[in-house]
Amino acid sequence: EVQLVESGGGLVKPGGSLRLSCAASGFTFSNAWMSWVRQAPGKGLEWVGRIKSKTDGGTTDYAAPVKGRFTISRDDSKNTLYLQMNSLKTEDTAVYYCTSVVVTPTLDYWGQGTLVTVSS
Amino acid sequence: EIVLTQSPGTLSLSPGERATLSCRASQSVSSSYLAWYQQKPGQAPRLLIYGASSRATGIPDRFSGSGSGTDFTLTISRLEPEDFAVYYCQQYGSLCTFGQGTKLEIK
Repeated sequence: EVQLVESGGGLVKPGGSLRLSCAASGFTFSNAWMSWVRQAPGKGLEWVGRIKSKTDGGTTDYAAPVKGRFTISRDDSKNTLYLQMNSLKTEDTAVYYCTSVVVTPTLDYWGQGTLVTVSS
Repeated sequence: EIVLTQSPGTLSLSPGERATLSCRASQSVSSSYLAWYQQKPGQAPRLLIYGASSRATGIPDRFSGSGSGTDFTLTISRLEPEDFAVYYCQQYGSLCTFGQGTKLEIK
């Protein structure tokens, strides 16, 4: 059974940093492209960024609102995905979901999400 | 960036009725890289349809997707009580973007 479990969310002040983790199991993590998607309270889904498998180059892509502030990385030896968030803004407040591309060509598995609140 | 516009914003129907949800893209979605997700309150989204018309594993056949280019449709042939939720379309042909969602509510 595929499982994605996010951790690391919490309350942080504007300008601060936070690192989210996503522990993956039930599939070959090293082969999977992984993404982060966020959802502000009461709002829709917003793609944050992705990291390809090392076989496919291991490169990253980001949405415009987070480019230059957020960094996605992976540790295939630990089956873990990371999201390093710097220079946080109040508008980054959201539930952050870890997602994987395993069976289909798109985001077919999702974690339950972790809440990040940016507030003074 | 490809912008996806979903309509209507809210759809009020009764169980047993047919639901038709629309998703329009600001430019052509390559190779029909268009997906649909269902999200219920307090839950993560669930993939329903990918490649515009292929059902994901375990999705009932009352859910169907169609369309190409810039116009796509999700149809639920006969609504069950558990189908009332928010639905999002997503394109994954050029990075990734989501529509703003359609809320399907009980009439």
